Amino acid sequence: AQTVTQSQPEMSVQEAETVTLSCTYDTSESDYYLFWYKQPPSRQMILVIRQEAYKQQNATENRFSVNFQKAAKSFSLKISDSQLGDAAMYFCAYRNSGGGADGLTFGKGTHLIIQP
Amino acid sequence: GAVVSQHPSRVICKSGTSVKIECRSLDFQATTMFWYRQFPKQSLMLMATSNEGSKATYEQGVEKDKFLINHASLTLSTLTVTSAHPEDSSFYICSARDPRDNSEQFFGPGTRLTVL
Repeated sequence: AQTVTQSQPEMSVQEAETVTLSCTYDTSESDYYLFWYKQPPSRQMILVIRQEAYKQQNATENRFSVNFQKAAKSFSLKISDSQLGDAAMYFCAYRNSGGGADGLTFGKGTHLIIQP
Repeated sequence: GAVVSQHPSRVICKSGTSVKIECRSLDFQATTMFWYRQFPKQSLMLMATSNEGSKATYEQGVEKDKFLINHASLTLSTLTVTSAHPEDSSFYICSARDPRDNSEQFFGPGTRLTVL
C-alpha cells in the first residue's frame, strides 16, 4: 500500500516570503501522479499543482512549484511571494496512474499560516 | 474545471436514523466517483470507489453494510449512512473522475454530518 508523509503539522511564513512544504511518499509503482491540494476554511478541496511521475521536469503553476525527486520519493511544494489568501491546510496526495480507478492517498496535511 | 456538487451541505440527524448524501457531476459524465471521510483536524481517508452500474469497492475497515453506495447513473452517486451513530459524525467529501482527463479528480464541497 502507498503511504504519504507530511512531517510539518504547521508552517508559518511572512507575507511576500517563500515557504516550502515537505512531502515524502512510499510506493512500489513506477508510474503515478502526485498532487498538492489546498483546503481553506470552507473545506473545498482545491488542486494547487500536479506532477506525473514519468515527467522529469518539475511542475510549475504561477507562484507554486514543486521539487520532485523520484529516487528519493520526495515531492515538496514551494510557494513564492506568499499571500494572505494562501493560508490554508495543504495536503500532499498520491494516486496510481493506471486507469484512473484508484482513489487518492493523502498525507496528514500542513497548516500554513501567513503572517501579515 | 469540472464541477461536482453535493447535497445536503449539512445534516443533523438522530441516532439510529439513515442519511443519504448525493454527489453529482454537473458538466461531465463520471464513470467513477470516490467517497472520502474527514474527521476534524485530520486528513481525508478514502472510504470507497463508486463505479457506475456495478458494486462499489470499499477500502479495508469500511463497513459496506453501514455505508451503502449507489452509482445508478453517470452523473450521480449516493452514500447512505445507515443506522447512524454519533461516531459517524464527520465531513464526507466526494470526488469524480472526468474520463477526458485521467489525472485529475474533482471534489465536491463536502457534507457535514452530525449525529445526535
